[in-house]
Amino acid sequence: GQNIDQPTEMTATEGAIVQINCTYQTSGFNGLFWYQQHAGEAPTFLSYNVLDGLEEKGRFSSFLSRSKGYSYLLLKELQMKDSASYLCAVSRRPHMLTFGGGTRLMVKP
Amino acid sequence: DTEVTQTPKHLVMGMTNKKSLKCEQHMGHRAMYWYKQKAKKPPELMFVYSYEKLSINESVPSRFSPECPNSSLLNLHLHALQPEDSALYLCASSQDGGQGRYEQYFGPGTRLTVT
Repeated sequence: GQNIDQPTEMTATEGAIVQINCTYQTSGFNGLFWYQQHAGEAPTFLSYNVLDGLEEKGRFSSFLSRSKGYSYLLLKELQMKDSASYLCAVSRRPHMLTFGGGTRLMVKP
Repeated sequence: DTEVTQTPKHLVMGMTNKKSLKCEQHMGHRAMYWYKQKAKKPPELMFVYSYEKLSINESVPSRFSPECPNSSLLNLHLHALQPEDSALYLCASSQDGGQGRYEQYFGPGTRLTVT
């Protein structure tokens, strides 16, 4: 089976840093994606990792360790608008995205 | 233009109705997708079209019938649905890059209610 695990909910303070972890066990690996989804809206792409290491894009960074089946999304200088669900998704083969359950992040003043 | 559009935004249908959901993109993407998302759950892949051919069907019941009339359009035909089919239906598109990076761009979705 395919297992992609993330914490269900996290709370953080405006201006702080938060790390959202994702562990996966899948048959096949063709890359790992992070998406942001605000309530009632479509998911929007944040980052992609296919090689081990850290990818940085502004306030967002994503890390991948393929040997450990582990990724994290790091959000810096949190803003209220960052309150959303964050979805870890593994591509098991081209076109085939399997999403984790998502982490609902609440940013408090 | 990085937009995927979907119509209608909301749809209420009875179990005996036939309706269609529509999706359009003008990014030149050659892969298009249908996902189903229930409340507080992640999206679940239903169908993938690659170069206008159905390449993945995730064992979706036949009451859902996809169609890709051309490289910019994707339809989902609905017939004899059940109340448990009520969900947000998301369309997405991506480049068809083989082993390369191919993030999916999602449309806003159609919120379907089956009565």
